[in-house]
Amino acid sequence: GENVEQHPSTLSVQEGDSAVIKCTYSDSASNYFPWYKQELGKRPQLIIDIRSNVGEKKDQRIAVTLNKTAKHFSLHITETQPEDSAVYFCAASGHQAGTALIFGKGTTLSVSS
Amino acid sequence: SQTIHQWPATLVQPVGSPLSLECTVEGTSNPNLYWYRQAAGRGLQLLFYSVGIGQISSEVPQNLSASRPQDRQFILSSKKLLLSDSGFYLCAWSRPGYEQYFGPGTRLTVT
Repeated sequence: GENVEQHPSTLSVQEGDSAVIKCTYSDSASNYFPWYKQELGKRPQLIIDIRSNVGEKKDQRIAVTLNKTAKHFSLHITETQPEDSAVYFCAASGHQAGTALIFGKGTTLSVSS
Repeated sequence: SQTIHQWPATLVQPVGSPLSLECTVEGTSNPNLYWYRQAAGRGLQLLFYSVGIGQISSEVPQNLSASRPQDRQFILSSKKLLLSDSGFYLCAWSRPGYEQYFGPGTRLTVT
């Protein structure tokens, strides 16, 4: 089955810097790659996703890139702000009926002002 | 619009007691439904998922079970709780082939 590795497990940046979180997946049949943000004590929230027919997707300060050949995808946050501090999870799935998301172990991002 | 509910929000149960957590989704039909567990400071562990009434797939063999008695209702149960069952239980839904959304979660403490 699918296995998703996520790095780093913790990341500390200064406000205004960029942050990059990387994930690799094992199943070449996976074709859907979402990213979730989870604030302390709350549910994970979907922040951006990408499908395998797209190499990059951007939404304001966040972007996701996908390299299907290497089976890795990354989350990029530019101009970080203290409110970006949270745990970020990547996930992968075949996204067919009955296929569940497999999550990475999460990255704790701390943005200091 | 779609809404997902979970209850209770918090629960404290003694070891060996039974468990029943409920999840319901409004505003959609025939959703895929999922149960995840998150231990303190840890990642999201998929426990069960369902593509339809009475159809349950188990990802992790343990003392938990799941049922889907109605199209938009998903229940997580245990006959006898263990200390290791403590955690944050999250229900999620998706339309097949689309994004997955999480419920507010149930925080379970087994004492």
